[in-house]
Amino acid sequence: DAEITQSPRHKITETGRQVTLACHQTWNHNNMFWYRQDLGHGLRLIHYSYGVQDTNKGEVSDGYSVSRSNTEDLPLTLESAASSQTSVYFCASKRGLGTEAFFGQGTRLTVV
Amino acid sequence: TQLLEQSPQFLSIQEGENLTVYCNSSSVFSSLQWYRQEPGEGPVLLVTVVTGGEVKKLKRLTFQFGDARKDSSLHITAAQPGDTGLYLCAGEGSQGNLIFGKGTKLSVKP
Repeated sequence: DAEITQSPRHKITETGRQVTLACHQTWNHNNMFWYRQDLGHGLRLIHYSYGVQDTNKGEVSDGYSVSRSNTEDLPLTLESAASSQTSVYFCASKRGLGTEAFFGQGTRLTVV
Repeated sequence: TQLLEQSPQFLSIQEGENLTVYCNSSSVFSSLQWYRQEPGEGPVLLVTVVTGGEVKKLKRLTFQFGDARKDSSLHITAAQPGDTGLYLCAGEGSQGNLIFGKGTKLSVKP
């Protein structure tokens, strides 16, 4: 069955370190998204991509970057981790307009 | 920036009661989706509404899209403990990006 997987599921890192969260989907979806979820804020869009070599900034993109070198993967990089980036991160993919978004299980990141 | 205001943020009710969750925006969306999220899991799609005025039913859940495609509501009839969870509305932009409301945390007590 097609799926979307995130790794790692949990990570603790130190302030200032570079961290990369992986997202891999096997649906061959063009659209992929990264969100962070915090209490009181819901899901906030960090970056998104509509296809290979395409990346776009979301509402909370500062301190984060993504790259899309193939259809299946959209890794999220925290250039220099900060305590404010402690959160649960969700990756999602969808085929196109009006279609269902499928979410990964989430990555709980703690920056100490 | 497109924003979705979802209300109420928290809702605690007894089994058998009815409830309505609202999702409002000043922006027009291509479609609006409702998701449900369980603790420790990613959101899962409940329904997509596309046409202004559209009403969709999913068992005891009724979803409505406003005529101007700026707002939506979710009505649950005779809530059950199994309905407990976080309900999220998401507006879809013209290119397919999804903007989420803050969610409604529903607790249904037996």
